[in-house]
Amino acid sequence: AQSVTQLGSHVSVSEGALVLLRCNYSSSVPPYLFWYVQYPNQGLQLLLKYTTGATLVKGINGFEAEFKKSETSFHLTKPSAHMSDAAEYFCAVSESGGSNYKLTFGKGTLLTVNP
Amino acid sequence: DGGITQSPKYLFRKEGQNVTLSCEQNLNHDAMYWYRQDPGQGLRLIYYSQIVNDFQKGDIAEGYSVSREKKESFPLTVTSAQKNPTAFYLCASRGYTEAFFGQGTRLTVV
Repeated sequence: AQSVTQLGSHVSVSEGALVLLRCNYSSSVPPYLFWYVQYPNQGLQLLLKYTTGATLVKGINGFEAEFKKSETSFHLTKPSAHMSDAAEYFCAVSESGGSNYKLTFGKGTLLTVNP
Repeated sequence: DGGITQSPKYLFRKEGQNVTLSCEQNLNHDAMYWYRQDPGQGLRLIYYSQIVNDFQKGDIAEGYSVSREKKESFPLTVTSAQKNPTAFYLCASRGYTEAFFGQGTRLTVV
């Protein structure tokens, strides 16, 4: 069975500092990996995804993530935090593409950005 | 615009009543999902459907029911058997890669 672990339920950074949100996964086959962002009382919005090919993927709002198979990780980074980045972030894994495969989510990491 | 529409955004229910949450998509996706979100617990899968007229239980299906009579629609009924229904409910649909989410329905039992 696939699973996702997000290390740190709450991360706090200063504006302009590096953002690093950690995600480790387990999957019996090469995974599809996703990061989503959620603002209060809203749905989830896709930040970026890894399916195949280049292991460093770039997303919206300056975020990027690197798929490291040997470490079973897919950590999310942004070089310089902005106040508007304050939100909850979810990592998700799927064993493949298509409607036959479920998405499994981590418990989320709440990012706080201090002025 | 293409997307997923959930309604209503806020819903209040008296104890012992059934309520139905609406989810409609115009993305032509086969798969649709219902998740429940509680603080600190992430998203937990209630039910999912991979095709019309077929659906499967997720991890927390007790006290919930669904139907999938049309590709576009996947309504969720929260029954009186659900002991703690107050939560934020999210509907999603999926094509080949990522899932797309609605804006959610916040259900409160009063």
